[in-house]
Amino acid sequence: EAGVTQFPSHSVIEKGQTVTLRCDPISGHDNLYWYRRVMGKEIKFLLHFVKESKQDESGMPNNRFLAERTGGTYSTLKVQPAELEDSGVYFCASSPRTGSFLSGNTIYFGEGSWLTVV
Amino acid sequence: KNQVEQSPQSLIILEGKNCTLQCNYTVSPFSNLRWYKQDTGRGPVSLTIMTFSENTKSNGRYTATLDADTKQSSLHITASQLSDSASYICVVSLTTDSWGKLQFGAGTQVVVTP
Repeated sequence: EAGVTQFPSHSVIEKGQTVTLRCDPISGHDNLYWYRRVMGKEIKFLLHFVKESKQDESGMPNNRFLAERTGGTYSTLKVQPAELEDSGVYFCASSPRTGSFLSGNTIYFGEGSWLTVV
Repeated sequence: KNQVEQSPQSLIILEGKNCTLQCNYTVSPFSNLRWYKQDTGRGPVSLTIMTFSENTKSNGRYTATLDADTKQSSLHITASQLSDSASYICVVSLTTDSWGKLQFGAGTQVVVTP
């Protein structure tokens, strides 16, 4: 079974340009999350989709970031226009909908998309 | 201030030896605590998940403990192997309707030497 896949794995863009990151979750996983790690910091939550709906987008840093999950399958995260401080690793993760809330489900992470803004 | 603090920041151990990593959290309310292993350049991989009512959980040579009263957790690695070299991250889930809204620690970088 394929894991969470992310594309591109690495991207270098100039300040002011646009970048779109794509995430394909594990097939059948309703929950899809975006996280990011900027230099020297811990991984931080950005947002959570349940199918195509945004369940929680409280971690999105500003309106230059737009996430979509049309059809409830893959998701994209667009940064427009990119700023230097957006450099970091963007992780996508997914988990199945079933299971106990308190026990949680295993959340599977992709390998990350490394973004460098110059 | 991060609500999930890990110590030590890094450590070096000899192959075959044991080590214990610490995690203190202030996240509240709390639903579950996870330990992840992250190899360099890779995504985090889940090792254990514990609810507030569980005290210990094992996954092979990895054993996690949890004291919900003192808000402390530890990850014990037994008989370390070279492949254990990685960052180990303590992660706490909030009790909300979005259990994937995880609070991450900064990680402990473990280096296992021959």
